[in-house]
Amino acid sequence: ETGVTQSPTHLIKTRGQQVTLRCSSQSGHNTVSWYQQALGQGPQFIFQYYREEENGRGNFPPRFSGLQFPNYSSELNVNALELDDSALYLCASSLGPRERQYFGPGTRLTVT
Amino acid sequence: AQKITQTQPGMFVQEKEAVTLDCTYDTSDQSYGLFWYKQPSSGEMIFLIYQGSYDEQNATEGRYSLNFQKARKSANLVISASQLGDSAMYFCAMRGTGGTSYGKLTFGQGTILTVHP
Repeated sequence: ETGVTQSPTHLIKTRGQQVTLRCSSQSGHNTVSWYQQALGQGPQFIFQYYREEENGRGNFPPRFSGLQFPNYSSELNVNALELDDSALYLCASSLGPRERQYFGPGTRLTVT
Repeated sequence: AQKITQTQPGMFVQEKEAVTLDCTYDTSDQSYGLFWYKQPSSGEMIFLIYQGSYDEQNATEGRYSLNFQKARKSANLVISASQLGDSAMYFCAMRGTGGTSYGKLTFGQGTILTVHP
C-alpha cells in the first residue's frame, strides 16, 4: 500500500448534481495529482496541486475544480455532472511536482 | 505534446514463461521519464519500474526489466517467469519536463495480460 487514501470508494450521482472527492496524501508529500480513468481507457490528467496552488491542468472544463489544504490533502469537485463523467478517479501524491507519484485506490463515480 | 502508444490490447502467456509488453512514445522534451504501472481489477495503480531518458542502462526491478531503445522511442516491459498473480492491466506512462507536460503523467491505453497455468 502507498499510504494514499481516497474517499468515498464508490459514489452514485444523478446528472446535473455536484460531487466532491477527497484524497489524503502520503506523509511528507506536498503535491497531489488527479486523474480520470474511463472504463477500458488509460488515466487522463486532470490537474496537479503543489503547496496549495494549481500547478498544471489537463484538457478538462472549468466545472472540474480542486483544492489543496495546508496538510496537503486535496479535493476534486465536479459541478453539473454529465453521464461521461462516470469513471474511476485516481489521486496520486508525490514529494514534488516531478517526483514519483504514489496512487491511491481510486473513487468509482457513476452518473445516472 | 506527449503521446504513449501501446499496440497490444491483450496478451496471453503461460505461467513461468517470459512476456514482453510493447510501448512506444513521442515527445519533444529532451528530458523525460518512463514508467510502467500494473492495475489489477481492484483499480489501484501499482508502480513497477522507472527509466530516465538519460539513464544509460536499462532499468530492472526483480522480475521486471525495461528494454529502453531511445532512438526507436520504445520502452518495452519484460516480465520474466510469469506468475498467475501477474494477470492485470499494464500501463506505460511518460512524465515530461517542458511546458504543459511538466509534472503530469501521460498514459497509454493499456495492455491486458492473462497468465495461463
